[in-house]
Amino acid sequence: DAKTTQPNSMESNEEEPVHLPCNHSTISGTDYIHWYRQLPSQGPEYVIHGLTSNVNNRMASLAIAEDRKSSTLILHRATLRDAAVYYCILMFSGGYNKLIFGAGTRLAVHP
Amino acid sequence: DVKVTQSSRYLVKRTGEKVFLECVQDMDHENMFWYRQDPGLGLRLIYFSYDVKMKEKGDIPEGYSVSREKKERFSLILESASTNQTSMYLCASREPGAPEAFFGQGTRLTVV
Repeated sequence: DAKTTQPNSMESNEEEPVHLPCNHSTISGTDYIHWYRQLPSQGPEYVIHGLTSNVNNRMASLAIAEDRKSSTLILHRATLRDAAVYYCILMFSGGYNKLIFGAGTRLAVHP
Repeated sequence: DVKVTQSSRYLVKRTGEKVFLECVQDMDHENMFWYRQDPGLGLRLIYFSYDVKMKEKGDIPEGYSVSREKKERFSLILESASTNQTSMYLCASREPGAPEAFFGQGTRLTVV
């Protein structure tokens, strides 16, 4: 399985944008890039995913590098509720796969 | 809403006991997963089931077994619980090819 690398932790102030990076230099052409987050005392929840083009949804935006070897999850205006561990995961597009999580990035949001 | 329900939120068991952690999903998903989560180690995959009666080892299967007799239910079994299995256990389900996996709230197991 291709691996991802993320910073252990990041900090942000409330109302400011946050850019969470992820490196995945061994990504294959059929791997989608997924982001999940885990709020305190909860199971992980899906945030966003993409293959090649940038993606937006109500929670966040995903910017994918042209060579697909890195991506960035963008929270446009961080709130206290966005404090969580964010996981970047590569997932094969078809069939089944094991859904392997890395250590993720712990995001702290300050008032 | 998809629901993944884990039978217990907190569980305390004695060393050597046989422990069953149950997980039920209500969306007819083919894939189900069991993870454990420990501080500093993130989520580690224990076992994965891609269909009824079908299972595959994850990264840390030692000391665990699983059972999937019905599509909606995936059980994690600790044959003889040990203190190093004290952890948060998380169950998830997902339809193959779908982008989103759904997680339960977790079971915090303490083995004393």
